[in-house]
Amino acid sequence: DAGVTQSPTHLIKTRGQQVTLRCSPKSGHDTVSWYQQALGQGPQFIFQYYEEEERQRGNFPDRFSGHQFPNYSSELNVNALLLGDSALYLCASSLQYDNEQFFGPGTRLTVL
Amino acid sequence: AQTVTQSQPEMSVQEAETVTLSCTYDTSESDYYLFWYKQPPSRQMILVIRQEAYKQQNATENRFSVNFQKAAKSFSLKISDSQLGDAAMYFCAYRPLMEYGNKLVFGAGTILRVKS
Repeated sequence: DAGVTQSPTHLIKTRGQQVTLRCSPKSGHDTVSWYQQALGQGPQFIFQYYEEEERQRGNFPDRFSGHQFPNYSSELNVNALLLGDSALYLCASSLQYDNEQFFGPGTRLTVL
Repeated sequence: AQTVTQSQPEMSVQEAETVTLSCTYDTSESDYYLFWYKQPPSRQMILVIRQEAYKQQNATENRFSVNFQKAAKSFSLKISDSQLGDAAMYFCAYRPLMEYGNKLVFGAGTILRVKS
């Protein structure tokens, strides 16, 4: 049983560019959350998707947007990249309202 | 807004000994969940233990146990018989129950080093 997978593993972009990160949830899970983890800090909640809709959103600007597909996989899009967007982006999946979230290995984004 | 504070940026423990990691949180809710997650250098976050706020009994998972003090809003993790594989970043996390969804609020983390 495959766990949560994310692609790509690493990504390097320049300021002003746009980026798309991808996540496939654990088999059977219907809810996907995205977190941003800056170096040496704890993850910060970006948003959560359930039934292809954004269910919760953290304190992130509109440059951060997402999508969930009918197969429950998800994308995180970031427009107009800033240096401060450099971080590890974690995807987590769960069943609706379930307590245990399963995390993927993350995508390391570097903005130059 | 809920906040989670981990006041120990780094801790060290000798192999086979016991270590306690501290966590405090701030919330006005009476029902919520608390978690400890482990993030090894490979980066994949793993759930270590969880505690329901309505349960008075402290959760235990093998060598891992918590000391949950609801009135003090404290949630510490005790690791007994520490092993080299316990070396990782540990995050305390809070899940509010009065919101639609199951987002987690994380602390800044504590790096645990295990000495052989």
